[in-house]
Amino acid sequence: EAGVAQSPRYKIIEKRQSVAFWCNPISGHATLYWYQQILGQGPKLLIQFQNNGVVDDSQLPKDRFSAERLKGVDSTLKIQPAKLEDSAVYLCASSLREITDTQYFGPGTRLTVL
Amino acid sequence: AQSVSQHNHHVILSEAASLELGCNYSYGGTVNLFWYVQYPGQHLQLLLKYFSGDPLVKGIKGFEAEFIKSKFSFNLRKPSVQWSDTAEYFCAVRANTNAGKSTFGDGTTLTVKP
Repeated sequence: EAGVAQSPRYKIIEKRQSVAFWCNPISGHATLYWYQQILGQGPKLLIQFQNNGVVDDSQLPKDRFSAERLKGVDSTLKIQPAKLEDSAVYLCASSLREITDTQYFGPGTRLTVL
Repeated sequence: AQSVSQHNHHVILSEAASLELGCNYSYGGTVNLFWYVQYPGQHLQLLLKYFSGDPLVKGIKGFEAEFIKSKFSFNLRKPSVQWSDTAEYFCAVRANTNAGKSTFGDGTTLTVKP
């Protein structure tokens, strides 16, 4: 079974630039999560999708971050414009459903904002 | 809002030593509890989880955790660690609701000396 795929693996940009991350979940997984993990901290949930609908985006900085999951499969997370404090690893995870199923994590995208 | 506290930032042990990593959470309702592990160069993966029933949960690779509701704790234990257990360990809590989101602690780095 293929795991969660993410790209790119690394990205370096300057502040005020835009960046986008892509995630392809495990086939058949209805729920998709985006997390932000700042160095020295645990992952923080940014947004959770159930199929192509948003379940929770309460911690997503909506003035600069946006995410979509068209057709309930792949997802894209965008930051526009980026700030220095956005430097982090962005993790995508997926699970079959919500509460009772294991979350499978991708390798993450390491973003450095200069 | 829920929160998770992991008491030890970095633990160093010799092989065959016993391990206990502390995890305390704050949340007023019913929770699901998790321990995740990230081995060097690998994805974050589930080690064990508690949903209900026996508060002593056994996971992969000889790990176990005990849920003590009165102490809001979910400590991770292993009687005898191996060099291959060197990794970062994250405790997470999720409110047991339809839209419950996972909140992670800041992690404990375990180094096992051969």
